[in-house]
Amino acid sequence: KNEVEQSPQNLTAQEGEFITINCSYSVGISALHWLQQHPGGGIVSLFMLSSGKKKHGRLIATINIQEKHSSLHITASHPRDSAVYICAVRSRTSGSRLTFGEGTQLTVNP
Amino acid sequence: DTEVTQTPKHLVMGMTNKKSLKCEQHMGHRAMYWYKQKAKKPPELMFVYSYEKLSINESVPSRFSPECPNSSLLNLHLHALQPEDSALYLCASSQEAPGGKETQYFGPGTRLLVL
Repeated sequence: KNEVEQSPQNLTAQEGEFITINCSYSVGISALHWLQQHPGGGIVSLFMLSSGKKKHGRLIATINIQEKHSSLHITASHPRDSAVYICAVRSRTSGSRLTFGEGTQLTVNP
Repeated sequence: DTEVTQTPKHLVMGMTNKKSLKCEQHMGHRAMYWYKQKAKKPPELMFVYSYEKLSINESVPSRFSPECPNSSLLNLHLHALQPEDSALYLCASSQEAPGGKETQYFGPGTRLLVL
């Protein structure tokens, strides 16, 4: 079992739909990151969370430390949101290492 | 300036060639990283430099040789690569932060093809 599990692996939505991507992890963490990777390759850091909830534009990220679970929500989805979304954690014992989930491929159709 | 730049964007090389990948950041970050990413897989950490010293080498084969000439630059020297080394090579940087709560900033990557 991977230390970081994401679901779903693939997600197709219609423009305007509310989207949720889930991430579960099995280790004690100092921080959890949500990353976005477009087909061109570059990775953008969306959020870093250690507790609670963060919002940026149409994106909301939440984390429940007790349940070792985080969610990324996209409201009013748009085709430009199509990308791979990756959950990554920094465990308390891993030094500088991030442990990555396998990613969720999101496709938003117009 | 929150940008990490990488050159070249694309690289094709033969198995006997020597080439270098370059990464640069001007955010004053003291940690820099090399990752390798195969298609449809998450990035895999290769090396970490902290304050210009190699702090993590994830058992990477010696045909990959990292170098950190100064706090803004990170190189990855390639020699005698194999076709299975073809991948996207990503550079990242971060500032030290208490409790490990730093954000890593990623470059656009170099897409490498080894023939």
